[in-house]
Amino acid sequence: GEDVEQSLFLSVREGDSSVINCTYTDSSSTYLYWYKQEPGAGLQLLTYIFSNMDMKQDQRLTVLLNKKDKHLSLRIADTQTGDSAIYFCAETGSNQGQAGTALIFGKGTTLSVSS
Amino acid sequence: DTAVSQTPKYLVTQMGNDKSIKCEQNLGHDTMYWYKQDSKKFLKIMFSYNNKELIINETVPNRFSPKSPDKAHLNLHINSLELGDSAVYFCASSLGTGLSTDTQYFGPGTRLTVL
Repeated sequence: GEDVEQSLFLSVREGDSSVINCTYTDSSSTYLYWYKQEPGAGLQLLTYIFSNMDMKQDQRLTVLLNKKDKHLSLRIADTQTGDSAIYFCAETGSNQGQAGTALIFGKGTTLSVSS
Repeated sequence: DTAVSQTPKYLVTQMGNDKSIKCEQNLGHDTMYWYKQDSKKFLKIMFSYNNKELIINETVPNRFSPKSPDKAHLNLHINSLELGDSAVYFCASSLGTGLSTDTQYFGPGTRLTVL
């Protein structure tokens, strides 16, 4: 079945770059997503990447996709204390092409940024 | 101008009670979802509806019954609450195109605590 794996914790200093890694199993996933959850808050869509792309950049965020290895990463440049949150990688589950297809989430990576 | 809203934000109740969580979206989307986030932050799909029709019904006890009175609302009713139902429940919505670009937007969550 589908599975998404992430490392659980990452600790960085303010101003450094953060790299959060994710591996997934469903090679038919055509889009992969990154969501951010701040403490006590809902899920905010950060970015997504189409599977025929290797890289997508959006301001301080860079997403890298290695489709052969089914590996996805999110790089946050110049990490700030406000970036402290849980970051979830997600792929679309089975039934792609049908409305209502669920997202399959990783367990989330807790990013802690110290000043 | 909240896109996806849920009520209540917090719900504390006794075992055995019946409770409902409401979700509304003003995005004009056709598809709505319920996800459960457990104490370890793991997110898992429970249900999805497209145009008021049930699409996904994961392995969820039949004490959980979703109801969609119209496309903008998807409520979750839970009978005979158990301790293990304590979690954060997230509602989400998407256009419902059936494409992988069908980005899901999440509500703020309802934290349910069963005593």
